[in-house]
Amino acid sequence: SQTIHQWPATLVQPVGSPLSLECTVEGTSNPNLYWYRQAAGRGLQLLFYSVGIGQISSEVPQNLSASRPQDRQFILSSKKLLLSDSGFYLCAWSDSGVSGANVLTFGAGSRLTVL
Amino acid sequence: GQNIDQPTEMTATEGAIVQINCTYQTSGFNGLFWYQQHAGEAPTFLSYNVLDGLEEKGRFSSFLSRSKGYSYLLLKELQMKDSASYLCAVIDSNYQLIWGAGTKLIIKP
Repeated sequence: SQTIHQWPATLVQPVGSPLSLECTVEGTSNPNLYWYRQAAGRGLQLLFYSVGIGQISSEVPQNLSASRPQDRQFILSSKKLLLSDSGFYLCAWSDSGVSGANVLTFGAGSRLTVL
Repeated sequence: GQNIDQPTEMTATEGAIVQINCTYQTSGFNGLFWYQQHAGEAPTFLSYNVLDGLEEKGRFSSFLSRSKGYSYLLLKELQMKDSASYLCAVIDSNYQLIWGAGTKLIIKP
């Protein structure tokens, strides 16, 4: 069966510090991978998605970046965090290909507080 | 623009039935999802509708009317563990997933 791991679960970072969130998927090959951010009272915001190694699409211009160094690894980074980067970050995967029925499976989430 | 509307919060009684509505205006339609999200946790998949009608899965059912841009999630025999947020999401013509802000459901004994 497929599993998705995301870490760290929580972190508190000062403004201007770097960020690295990591996500790995097991039990599947060539998955579509996603990074979402969830702010209180708002819908999930897609930050990045990837259909393959080294292929990253950015949905929102910001000081965050994503990388996919391996087929089942997805990393969210920032060189300098802003207060507005605080939120709940979710990694997700779906089967490869474009299909309306591709169900997203989410990681447990990472709660980031920037002070 | 693209928009998904859901009530912000609903309250229901344990053992009762509740219907959570979702209306959408999107550029095209390729399906609609319902996810459940307990506080502080990740969303989990509940249902997928692409054709009009009712899909039943145990205590949960989801209905879709494409002509009306409308869906609802029906929860029967409510249990305390059903207290969660319920997220509606629509796949548009570009296969982009558009998310509603979610409906927080509070179950009272």
